[in-house]
Amino acid sequence: DVKVTQSSRYLVKRTGEKVFLECVQDMDHENMFWYRQDPGLGLRLIYFSYDVKMKEKGDIPEGYSVSREKKERFSLILESASTNQTSMYLCASSSGPPLDEQFFGPGTRLTVL
Amino acid sequence: GNSVTQMEGPVTLSEEAFLTINCTYTATGYPSLFWYVQYPGEGLQLLLKATKADDKGSNKGFEATYRKETTSFHLEKGSVQVSDSAVYFCALGERDMRFGAGTRLTVKP
Repeated sequence: DVKVTQSSRYLVKRTGEKVFLECVQDMDHENMFWYRQDPGLGLRLIYFSYDVKMKEKGDIPEGYSVSREKKERFSLILESASTNQTSMYLCASSSGPPLDEQFFGPGTRLTVL
Repeated sequence: GNSVTQMEGPVTLSEEAFLTINCTYTATGYPSLFWYVQYPGEGLQLLLKATKADDKGSNKGFEATYRKETTSFHLEKGSVQVSDSAVYFCALGERDMRFGAGTRLTVKP
């Protein structure tokens, strides 16, 4: 069974902290994505990666960075967390072209106080 | 750029009612179209997809037809069940995936 796992379901951090969200997929997918999900806004793409060591900015990269040192792992980093980064974060992976089906993790609900 | 607009919710229906959730898109090329579903407390999962004009995607009684002339991909189901209560997302895939805002469906017994 295909699987995308995220390191935490719920996370509470303080303003200014550095936050790491980890995502691991076991499907040998080339492509990995980070989204944030907010009510009424749907999913917005933060960063994506089509290969190891490669990354591209999505629509809302400000305040975030990513790391992809291994094919199966894609990390989202909040360099200095702020309250407006309180959100649900979803990781996804896909094979082949990006237009193919994406497989999603269960999400991490991050609260920044 | 590419974008998706879907019907705002929430939508509340009685069991066995007919469901339509509208979705229209703007695209520069020839994207694939998707409907994803998110059940409470879970991530998104693919419900159905269509890769070219006039294709019909179907799954679990849900259907959607890729209409290039009206740039639409409306989701339909003839008879909804309580277990269909979820948030539904229309999405467009080309170089990346673009999602609509989501429509929350509640089905009451």
